[in-house]
Amino acid sequence: QQPVQSPQAVILREGEDAVINCSSSKALYSVHWYRQKHGEAPVFLMILLKGGEQKGHEKISASFNEKKQQSSLYLTASQLSYSGTYFCGTATGANNLFFGTGTRLTVIP
Amino acid sequence: NAGVTQTPKFQVLKTGQSMTLQCAQDMNHEYMSWYRQDPGMGLRLIHYSVGAGITDQGEVPNGYNVSRSTTEDFPLRLLSAAPSQTSVYFCASRDDRLSGNTIYFGEGSWLTVV
Repeated sequence: QQPVQSPQAVILREGEDAVINCSSSKALYSVHWYRQKHGEAPVFLMILLKGGEQKGHEKISASFNEKKQQSSLYLTASQLSYSGTYFCGTATGANNLFFGTGTRLTVIP
Repeated sequence: NAGVTQTPKFQVLKTGQSMTLQCAQDMNHEYMSWYRQDPGMGLRLIHYSVGAGITDQGEVPNGYNVSRSTTEDFPLRLLSAAPSQTSVYFCASRDDRLSGNTIYFGEGSWLTVV
């Protein structure tokens, strides 16, 4: 039930944009996005419920295509603080969350 | 409001030893779970509980036991530690009162089995 994330890693210069994708083989109830800094716990970014909604928080936004069972996380005008590993978590119902293997994002000056 | 609290933060065990990772939350969440995180594997669900007295297996339950005698506590027991259980363990709880069921993680427990 583990979703598939791509790319596995990306390096950006400050100010550049990035897209991280998450796809599932099962129909999804919700998609959750987390960011983890090295040596720390994952931190919640946003959640998207089925219905094809899109959410945003400052320069980080996400979309959820229920029909395609896919979600994408968009990071615009990246900052050094965006560095970390991004995980998507997917739920097929109001139950357990299964995580992808992560996308390591490195932002350099 | 401390959130999700895990102890210990670091532990070294010898193969065959047993130990318990403690997890407590003060948010009155019914749902709690344990994940392990290994390089390149992401977070994998070990066990979960939907309320006091109710537990169930996740993706990788072998070698671990859990119990849930109270809403606040959800300890994870390693019965006979093996080097393959070297990992970072995260306890998490979920607020089912909100739509989408956001999960909140503890700070993690780094376990090394030698």
